[in-house]
Amino acid sequence: KQEVTQIPAALSVPEGENLVLNCSFTDSAIYNLQWFRQDPGKGLTSLLLIQSSQREQTSGRLNASLDKSSGRSTLYIAASQPGDSATYLCAVYSGGGADGLTFGKGTHLIIQP
Amino acid sequence: NAGVTQTPKFQVLKTGQSMTLQCAQDMNHEYMSWYRQDPGMGLRLIHYSVGAGITDQGEVPNGYNVSRSTTEDFPLRLLSAAPSQTSVYFCASSESLAGGYDEQFFGPGTRLTVL
Repeated sequence: KQEVTQIPAALSVPEGENLVLNCSFTDSAIYNLQWFRQDPGKGLTSLLLIQSSQREQTSGRLNASLDKSSGRSTLYIAASQPGDSATYLCAVYSGGGADGLTFGKGTHLIIQP
Repeated sequence: NAGVTQTPKFQVLKTGQSMTLQCAQDMNHEYMSWYRQDPGMGLRLIHYSVGAGITDQGEVPNGYNVSRSTTEDFPLRLLSAAPSQTSVYFCASSESLAGGYDEQFFGPGTRLTVL
Protein backbone atom coordinates (compact mmCIF):
# COMPACT_ATOMS: atom_id res chain seq x y z
CA LYS A 1 0.00 0.00 0.00
CA GLN A 2 1.26 3.45 -0.91
CA GLU A 3 2.55 5.52 1.99
CA VAL A 4 3.54 9.19 1.89
CA THR A 5 5.88 10.78 4.41
CA GLN A 6 6.59 14.46 4.83
CA ILE A 7 9.65 15.80 6.58
CA PRO A 8 9.91 17.90 8.62
CA ALA A 9 6.58 17.84 10.42
CA ALA A 10 7.06 21.45 11.44
CA LEU A 11 9.40 24.23 10.37
CA SER A 12 9.90 27.80 11.56
CA VAL A 13 12.15 30.17 9.61
CA PRO A 14 12.73 33.92 9.41
CA GLU A 15 11.13 35.88 6.63
CA GLY A 16 13.14 36.05 3.42
CA GLU A 17 14.76 32.64 3.65
CA ASN A 18 14.56 30.06 0.90
CA LEU A 19 13.29 26.71 2.14
CA VAL A 20 12.66 23.15 1.04
CA LEU A 21 9.87 20.83 2.10
CA ASN A 22 10.30 17.13 1.50
CA CYS A 23 7.88 14.41 0.48
CA SER A 24 8.65 10.73 -0.02
CA PHE A 25 6.45 7.88 -1.21
CA THR A 26 6.96 4.12 -1.03
CA ASP A 27 5.60 3.00 -4.41
CA SER A 28 7.16 4.73 -7.41
CA ALA A 29 4.32 3.66 -9.74
CA ILE A 30 2.42 6.95 -9.52
CA TYR A 31 0.47 8.91 -12.08
CA ASN A 32 1.02 12.29 -10.50
CA LEU A 33 1.93 14.18 -7.35
CA GLN A 34 0.16 17.26 -6.08
CA TRP A 35 1.20 19.83 -3.50
CA PHE A 36 -1.50 21.59 -1.49
CA ARG A 37 -1.59 24.39 1.01
CA GLN A 38 -4.00 24.34 3.96
CA ASP A 39 -4.60 27.37 6.14
CA PRO A 40 -5.95 26.84 9.69
CA GLY A 41 -9.63 25.90 9.61
CA LYS A 42 -9.73 26.10 5.84
CA GLY A 43 -9.80 23.80 2.85
CA LEU A 44 -6.98 22.65 0.61
CA THR A 45 -5.62 24.92 -2.09
CA SER A 46 -3.83 23.23 -4.96
CA LEU A 47 -0.35 24.66 -5.52
CA LEU A 48 1.33 22.47 -8.10
CA LEU A 49 0.58 19.25 -9.97
CA ILE A 50 3.46 17.20 -11.39
CA GLN A 51 2.70 14.42 -13.82
CA SER A 52 4.77 11.24 -13.58
CA SER A 53 6.56 12.11 -16.84
CA GLN A 54 7.62 15.53 -15.57
CA ARG A 55 10.61 16.49 -13.45
CA GLU A 56 9.41 19.80 -12.07
CA GLN A 57 6.74 22.47 -12.07
CA THR A 58 7.00 26.14 -11.18
CA SER A 59 4.47 28.71 -10.06
CA GLY A 60 5.75 32.09 -8.94
CA ARG A 61 8.06 31.58 -5.95
CA LEU A 62 7.22 27.88 -5.76
CA ASN A 63 9.09 25.09 -7.50
CA ALA A 64 8.24 21.43 -7.09
CA SER A 65 10.47 18.63 -8.29
CA LEU A 66 9.75 14.96 -8.74
CA ASP A 67 12.18 12.03 -8.74
CA LYS A 68 9.84 9.13 -9.30
CA SER A 69 12.50 6.44 -9.29
CA SER A 70 13.67 7.39 -5.82
CA GLY A 71 10.17 8.14 -4.56
CA ARG A 72 10.85 11.77 -3.67
CA SER A 73 9.47 15.23 -4.27
CA THR A 74 10.56 18.59 -2.93
CA LEU A 75 8.73 21.88 -2.71
CA TYR A 76 11.06 24.85 -2.87
CA ILE A 77 9.77 28.19 -1.61
CA ALA A 78 11.89 31.19 -2.52
CA ALA A 79 12.08 34.38 -0.49
CA SER A 80 9.57 33.24 2.11
CA GLN A 81 6.94 35.65 3.43
CA PRO A 82 4.72 35.57 6.56
CA GLY A 83 1.78 34.92 4.25
CA ASP A 84 3.37 31.58 3.33
CA SER A 85 2.66 30.32 6.85
CA ALA A 86 0.37 27.30 6.49
CA THR A 87 0.41 23.52 6.42
CA TYR A 88 1.73 22.06 3.17
CA LEU A 89 0.42 18.68 2.08
CA CYS A 90 1.84 16.32 -0.50
CA ALA A 91 -0.42 13.77 -2.20
CA VAL A 92 0.18 11.10 -4.82
CA TYR A 93 -2.24 9.38 -7.17
CA SER A 94 -1.29 5.76 -7.82
CA GLY A 95 -4.26 4.74 -9.95
CA GLY A 96 -7.41 2.90 -9.01
CA GLY A 97 -10.31 5.06 -7.90
CA ALA A 98 -10.73 3.26 -4.59
CA ASP A 99 -7.39 4.59 -3.45
CA GLY A 100 -7.91 8.17 -4.46
CA LEU A 101 -5.09 10.45 -3.44
CA THR A 102 -2.69 9.22 -0.75
CA PHE A 103 -1.76 12.15 1.48
CA GLY A 104 1.16 12.83 3.72
CA LYS A 105 0.48 14.30 7.15
CA GLY A 106 1.86 17.66 6.16
CA THR A 107 4.56 20.12 7.12
CA HIS A 108 3.41 22.96 9.37
CA LEU A 109 5.35 26.02 8.22
CA ILE A 110 5.73 29.26 10.19
CA ILE A 111 7.48 32.25 8.63
CA GLN A 112 8.60 34.68 11.31
CA PRO A 113 8.26 38.38 10.40
CA ASN B 1 -17.04 30.16 -11.10
CA ALA B 2 -17.56 29.09 -7.47
CA GLY B 3 -15.47 25.89 -7.74
CA VAL B 4 -16.33 23.28 -5.11
CA THR B 5 -18.81 24.37 -2.45
CA GLN B 6 -19.81 22.57 0.73
CA THR B 7 -22.60 23.11 3.23
CA PRO B 8 -22.87 23.37 6.14
CA LYS B 9 -19.53 24.73 7.38
CA PHE B 10 -20.12 23.47 10.91
CA GLN B 11 -22.48 20.88 12.37
CA VAL B 12 -23.04 19.33 15.78
CA LEU B 13 -25.01 16.09 15.97
CA LYS B 14 -26.06 13.75 18.71
CA THR B 15 -25.23 10.07 18.47
CA GLY B 16 -27.77 8.31 16.28
CA GLN B 17 -28.91 11.37 14.36
CA SER B 18 -28.71 11.47 10.60
CA MET B 19 -27.66 14.25 8.29
CA THR B 20 -26.49 15.00 4.77
CA LEU B 21 -23.36 16.94 3.90
CA GLN B 22 -23.81 18.78 0.64
CA CYS B 23 -21.19 19.16 -2.07
CA ALA B 24 -21.54 20.88 -5.42
CA GLN B 25 -19.17 21.87 -8.21
CA ASP B 26 -19.73 24.10 -11.22
CA MET B 27 -16.73 23.01 -13.31
CA ASN B 28 -18.50 20.12 -15.08
CA HIS B 29 -16.09 17.68 -13.49
CA GLU B 30 -16.78 13.97 -13.86
CA TYR B 31 -14.89 12.79 -10.80
CA MET B 32 -15.97 13.72 -7.28
CA SER B 33 -14.90 12.35 -3.95
CA TRP B 34 -15.25 12.69 -0.20
CA TYR B 35 -12.36 12.66 2.29
CA ARG B 36 -12.22 12.93 6.03
CA GLN B 37 -9.33 14.58 7.84
CA ASP B 38 -8.43 13.49 11.35
CA PRO B 39 -5.49 14.62 13.50
CA GLY B 40 -2.50 12.35 13.00
CA MET B 41 -4.26 10.37 10.26
CA GLY B 42 -4.09 12.65 7.25
CA LEU B 43 -6.89 12.68 4.69
CA ARG B 44 -8.60 9.41 3.86
CA LEU B 45 -10.97 8.64 0.99
CA ILE B 46 -14.55 7.76 1.98
CA HIS B 47 -16.45 7.42 -1.31
CA TYR B 48 -15.97 8.54 -4.86
CA SER B 49 -17.87 8.88 -8.12
CA VAL B 50 -16.58 8.79 -11.70
CA GLY B 51 -19.77 10.22 -13.15
CA ALA B 52 -23.50 10.64 -12.65
CA GLY B 53 -25.09 7.42 -11.47
CA ILE B 54 -21.76 5.78 -10.59
CA THR B 55 -20.36 5.62 -7.05
CA ASP B 56 -17.92 3.37 -5.26
CA GLN B 57 -16.24 2.92 -1.91
CA GLY B 58 -12.93 4.31 -0.82
CA GLU B 59 -10.71 3.42 2.11
CA VAL B 60 -13.14 4.22 4.96
CA PRO B 61 -16.74 3.89 3.67
CA ASN B 62 -18.47 2.35 6.71
CA GLY B 63 -21.25 4.51 8.14
CA TYR B 64 -21.57 6.68 5.03
CA ASN B 65 -23.74 6.59 1.93
CA VAL B 66 -23.47 8.60 -1.27
CA SER B 67 -25.39 9.11 -4.47
CA ARG B 68 -24.69 11.00 -7.70
CA SER B 69 -27.87 11.90 -9.54
CA THR B 70 -26.32 14.87 -11.35
CA THR B 71 -22.83 15.81 -12.48
CA GLU B 72 -22.84 18.83 -10.16
CA ASP B 73 -23.88 17.33 -6.82
CA PHE B 74 -22.40 14.62 -4.62
CA PRO B 75 -24.03 14.50 -1.15
CA LEU B 76 -22.64 12.43 1.72
CA ARG B 77 -25.15 10.90 4.12
CA LEU B 78 -24.56 9.82 7.69
CA LEU B 79 -27.45 7.50 8.55
CA SER B 80 -26.74 7.09 12.28
CA ALA B 81 -23.97 9.35 13.49
CA ALA B 82 -21.33 8.02 15.88
CA PRO B 83 -18.66 9.90 17.87
CA SER B 84 -16.02 8.22 15.69
CA GLN B 85 -17.38 10.26 12.77
CA THR B 86 -16.30 13.50 14.39
CA SER B 87 -13.98 14.90 11.75
CA VAL B 88 -13.49 17.48 9.05
CA TYR B 89 -15.02 16.41 5.75
CA PHE B 90 -13.74 17.58 2.39
CA CYS B 91 -15.30 17.17 -1.01
CA ALA B 92 -13.06 17.21 -4.08
CA SER B 93 -13.50 17.13 -7.83
CA SER B 94 -11.39 16.73 -10.95
CA GLU B 95 -12.08 16.70 -14.63
CA SER B 96 -11.79 12.96 -14.96
CA LEU B 97 -9.95 9.96 -13.65
CA ALA B 98 -8.56 9.13 -17.07
CA GLY B 99 -4.95 8.23 -16.43
CA GLY B 100 -5.04 10.15 -13.17
CA TYR B 101 -3.68 13.19 -14.91
CA ASP B 102 -6.04 15.75 -13.49
CA GLU B 103 -5.58 18.31 -10.77
CA GLN B 104 -8.00 17.86 -7.89
CA PHE B 105 -9.87 20.80 -6.38
CA PHE B 106 -11.12 20.77 -2.80
CA GLY B 107 -14.02 22.45 -1.09
CA PRO B 108 -13.69 24.47 2.16
CA GLY B 109 -14.76 21.57 4.37
CA THR B 110 -17.49 20.72 6.89
CA ARG B 111 -16.49 20.46 10.52
CA LEU B 112 -18.68 17.81 12.16
CA THR B 113 -18.88 17.02 15.86
CA VAL B 114 -20.89 14.04 17.08
CA LEU B 115 -21.69 14.07 20.78
